[in-house]
Amino acid sequence: DGGITQSPKYLFRKEGQNVTLSCEQNLNHDAMYWYRQDPGQGLRLIYYSQIVNDFQKGDIAEGYSVSREKKESFPLTVTSAQKNPTAFYLCASRTRGQPLNTEAFFGQGTRLTVV
Amino acid sequence: SQQGEEDPQALSIQEGENATMNCSYKTSINNLQWYRQNSGRGLVHLILIRSNEREKHSGRLRVTLDTSKKSSSLLITASRAADTASYFCAPLNYNTDKLIFGTGTRLQVFP
Repeated sequence: DGGITQSPKYLFRKEGQNVTLSCEQNLNHDAMYWYRQDPGQGLRLIYYSQIVNDFQKGDIAEGYSVSREKKESFPLTVTSAQKNPTAFYLCASRTRGQPLNTEAFFGQGTRLTVV
Repeated sequence: SQQGEEDPQALSIQEGENATMNCSYKTSINNLQWYRQNSGRGLVHLILIRSNEREKHSGRLRVTLDTSKKSSSLLITASRAADTASYFCAPLNYNTDKLIFGTGTRLQVFP
């Protein structure tokens, strides 16, 4: 059953703690993305990766870090430097370089709450 | 910015009416994609239109693209209550691969 999986669905974190959100895909996609969504707002790009062992900052990368050691996995760490981390986080993936398949597939999201 | 901006921000209609949403962008693109998001869920791809296409249909969806005006529109015909969701456009340039979304249009369809 192919798809993109985010875990956990809900996550609670104490202030000052780092936390890692998981994103795994078995679609053989090259590109992966992390977005943040605040209530009633659009999606803001945090980081994206076009290929294994490479990634670029998006529009709101401060306080976040990522790695791309495997094609299937693109974990996001929300560090204590992120001042307002409570939000809904979405991961997406898509094929690159093939004009016929450039739509993105999204996970179901992780809702992070800082307590 | 490669970001698309949707208009209007919110739209309320009755079942059976048509809903039109617009998207404007600023840079050159290879394609433009429309997505739908139900509350609290991930986005789902609806339709993709390439830069050399002017119009595309998929079921009750009709998308147009005007690259000279850097704008696109999404028309949902004969809307249903189940169409209630937020709709986002994402212009894409293959050189950057940066998939950026706007703030979306929140569509409410009343039975």
